Amino acid sequence: DAGVIQSPRHEVTEMGQEVTLRCKPISGHDYLFWYRQTMMRGLELLIYFNNNVPIDDSGMPEDRFSAKMPNASFSTLKIQPSEPRDSAVYFCASSLRLTGVEGSPLHFGNGTRLTVT
Amino acid sequence: SQQGEEDPQALSIQEGENATMNCSYKTSINNLQWYRQNSGRGLVHLILIRSNEREKHSGRLRVTLDTSKKSSSLLITASRAADTASYFCATVSGGGADGLTFGKGTHLIIQP
Repeated sequence: DAGVIQSPRHEVTEMGQEVTLRCKPISGHDYLFWYRQTMMRGLELLIYFNNNVPIDDSGMPEDRFSAKMPNASFSTLKIQPSEPRDSAVYFCASSLRLTGVEGSPLHFGNGTRLTVT
Repeated sequence: SQQGEEDPQALSIQEGENATMNCSYKTSINNLQWYRQNSGRGLVHLILIRSNEREKHSGRLRVTLDTSKKSSSLLITASRAADTASYFCATVSGGGADGLTFGKGTHLIIQP
């Protein structure tokens, strides 16, 4: 199994530009999560999907952020327009079943390091 | 807000020594999970302990859970240089949502 695959690994963009981050979860996993990691705030849950349907997007910081999961093997996180404070490492993770109740562990990708100048 | 908070924030020990990290959380849980993150990589699941368990072992890892104190500890025995990483505890916060909430982690450095 290739694990969770994220692309790109690094993204440098100018303020105001649109940024799209991509994720391919582990095949067969029902849940997909997007997290953001910064030194100041640690790991923050942005949104998660169950069977391609967004379940909880309360962590999405602003309307500039949007996430989609058009099918079971692909998800995107888009920031439009980007701002310097969006600079962070963005992680995608997937799990087979519910993690809180059933204890299904999260499998993380290696992240996308976003720098907005 | 953070559900899990690790303590200490940083820990430096000699290779071969034991490392203990603590985690406190705020609301009732079904399980508590520990993850490791190596520099520049994603988090890796280490071990899960359920709310009805008090102690669990996996190789050189030992996890305890005290639900009355809302705390957990992770012990790594006979540490190795490869154990250098950040360690996070994670739980599901209240409200029915399923996403894990992570603390800010303990950065562990193993001195050779």
